[in-house]
Amino acid sequence: KNEVEQSPQNLTAQEGEFITINCSYSVGISALHWLQQHPGGGIVSLFMLSSGKKKHGRLIATINIQEKHSSLHITASHPRDSAVYICAPEMEYGNKLVFGAGTILRVKS
Amino acid sequence: DTAVSQTPKYLVTQMGNDKSIKCEQNLGHDTMYWYKQDSKKFLKIMFSYNNKELIINETVPNRFSPKSPDKAHLNLHINSLELGDSAVYFCASSLQGLSSYNSPLHFGNGTRLTVT
Repeated sequence: KNEVEQSPQNLTAQEGEFITINCSYSVGISALHWLQQHPGGGIVSLFMLSSGKKKHGRLIATINIQEKHSSLHITASHPRDSAVYICAPEMEYGNKLVFGAGTILRVKS
Repeated sequence: DTAVSQTPKYLVTQMGNDKSIKCEQNLGHDTMYWYKQDSKKFLKIMFSYNNKELIINETVPNRFSPKSPDKAHLNLHINSLELGDSAVYFCASSLQGLSSYNSPLHFGNGTRLTVT
């Protein structure tokens, strides 16, 4: 079993839809990162959180440490949101990230 | 101005050759990383340096040798390249080590290495 499980693996949405990507992990963590990988390959850090909820524009990330679960929400999705979204828990010991396989999101206009 | 820049963007070479990938960050960060993304798109840490000192060295073949001449640079040298080394290599940096809550990662654009 992978240390990090993301769902869904693939997601196609219509423009304007509310999107949720889930991440479950089995390791002890100090924080969790959400990354976005553009179709061109570049990677951008969206959020780093250790508790509760963070919001940036149309993106919201939540984490429940006790349940070892995090979600990334996109409100009013847009075709430019099409990308791979990667969950990356930061291990409690060892100062490193473990990566989920990513969720491929396609938003159609 | 690119915050984390790595060169080259593409690298095609034959088995057995030695090659280097360079990475520079102008963010004033203390910590730099090399990640490998394989054909299945899985990312994995290879090395991490904090202020020129090696702090993470994952199970990576000895053919891979990172070099950090100063805290703004972390280069990756690969000896005797093999077919399995084909991947995209990402350099990244953070203000401090990842244990800090205020140290998001900043990634370079990646180097696509193809070994033939």
